[in-house]
Amino acid sequence: DAGVTQSPTHLIKTRGQQVTLRCSPKSGHDTVSWYQQALGQGPQFIFQYYEEEERQRGNFPDRFSGHQFPNYSSELNVNALLLGDSALYLCASSTFRGGELFFGEGSRLTVL
Amino acid sequence: EDQVTQSPEALRLQEGESSSLNCSYTVSGLRGLFWYRQDPGKGPEFLFTLYSAGEEKEKERLKATLTKKESFLHITAPKPEDSATYLCAVQARDNTDKLIFGTGTRLQVFP
Repeated sequence: DAGVTQSPTHLIKTRGQQVTLRCSPKSGHDTVSWYQQALGQGPQFIFQYYEEEERQRGNFPDRFSGHQFPNYSSELNVNALLLGDSALYLCASSTFRGGELFFGEGSRLTVL
Repeated sequence: EDQVTQSPEALRLQEGESSSLNCSYTVSGLRGLFWYRQDPGKGPEFLFTLYSAGEEKEKERLKATLTKKESFLHITAPKPEDSATYLCAVQARDNTDKLIFGTGTRLQVFP
């Protein structure tokens, strides 16, 4: 049983560019959440997708957007990258209003 | 404001030396408290969920307990492979699923 898978694992961008990160949820899960983890910090909630709609959003600017596909996979898009966007981006899957969140290994984004 | 504070920030233990990690929280109605283990450069690995004060859960050398204000992660006779950052998170009973994380406790167990 495959867990949560994310791609790419590492990427480097320059300021002002745009990036797309991808996530496939754990089998049987229909809800995907995205978190940003800066070095030495705990993960911060970005947003959650269920039934192809953004259901909840954390305190992140509109430069952060997402999408969920009919097969429950999801994308995170970040526009106009800033140096401060450098972080580990984590995808977590669950069942809607369910219990545990299971995380992927993350995508490490470096903005130069 | 919902908040999670973990202590200590870092902990060094000799192999076999038992200890506890603390997670203090303030939340407007607790739906669940989660413990995760995170290895460097990896995603958090789920350990436990606790839902009500007095609840306890165990897994190998780890035992998690919950009160109305804090949770403890007890590590009994740790081994070097237990070295990792341990994250605590709360989920509020506010009609959202988001987890609010602490900054973690970095545990090192040396032989």
